[in-house]
Amino acid sequence: AQKVTQAQTEISVVEKEDVTLDCVYETRDTTYYLFWYKQPPSGELVFLIRRNSFDEQNEISGRYSWNFQKSTSSFNFTITASQVVDSAVYFCALSERNKAAGNKLTFGGGTRVLVKP
Amino acid sequence: NAGVTQTPKFQVLKTGQSMTLQCAQDMNHEYMSWYRQDPGMGLRLIHYSVGAGITDQGEVPNGYNVSRSTTEDFPLRLLSAAPSQTSVYFCASSPREGTEAFFGQGTRLTVV
Repeated sequence: AQKVTQAQTEISVVEKEDVTLDCVYETRDTTYYLFWYKQPPSGELVFLIRRNSFDEQNEISGRYSWNFQKSTSSFNFTITASQVVDSAVYFCALSERNKAAGNKLTFGGGTRVLVKP
Repeated sequence: NAGVTQTPKFQVLKTGQSMTLQCAQDMNHEYMSWYRQDPGMGLRLIHYSVGAGITDQGEVPNGYNVSRSTTEDFPLRLLSAAPSQTSVYFCASSPREGTEAFFGQGTRLTVV
């Protein structure tokens, strides 16, 4: 069975500070996909980033960056120079590379980020 | 662009009542799924479908039924509502495995 753990339940920072969200996963699959989603106070789920298990290149997209390390089963996410609008709950998720699995996602418990002005 | 549409947005049920949460997508996606979100537990999969006529159970299927008669629609039925089913329900669709899931706006259900 797959499992995603987000050990940080809540992080509070002051605007312009960097925020790193931790995500550790468990899976027996050799090929899988990892995601980060954002849930702002309005409640909708917003897709942020996606990573294949066979591509460990770390990237930066604007103020977002991610660090995928297959050896430690971690997929951490960083917001650089945080802004008040970044206040939200962030979810890490995992899916199998298996058509029969229907792209079903296993979510972590979420990390609430509060950015204070 | 409608995307994934869920109705209703809010619902209050009495214990023992039944109801159907509607989900429709206009992106011709093969895969659709239902999740429930409870405080501190992230989202958990209830049921999913890989195409019209094909459904399967997720992590927490008890008390819920689904069907997929068309590509567009994936309704979730609560057979006999219980207070433990008080939650926020999200429907999602995606074109294939490993891709971004598109979520509806959610349905906040309270069972009293």
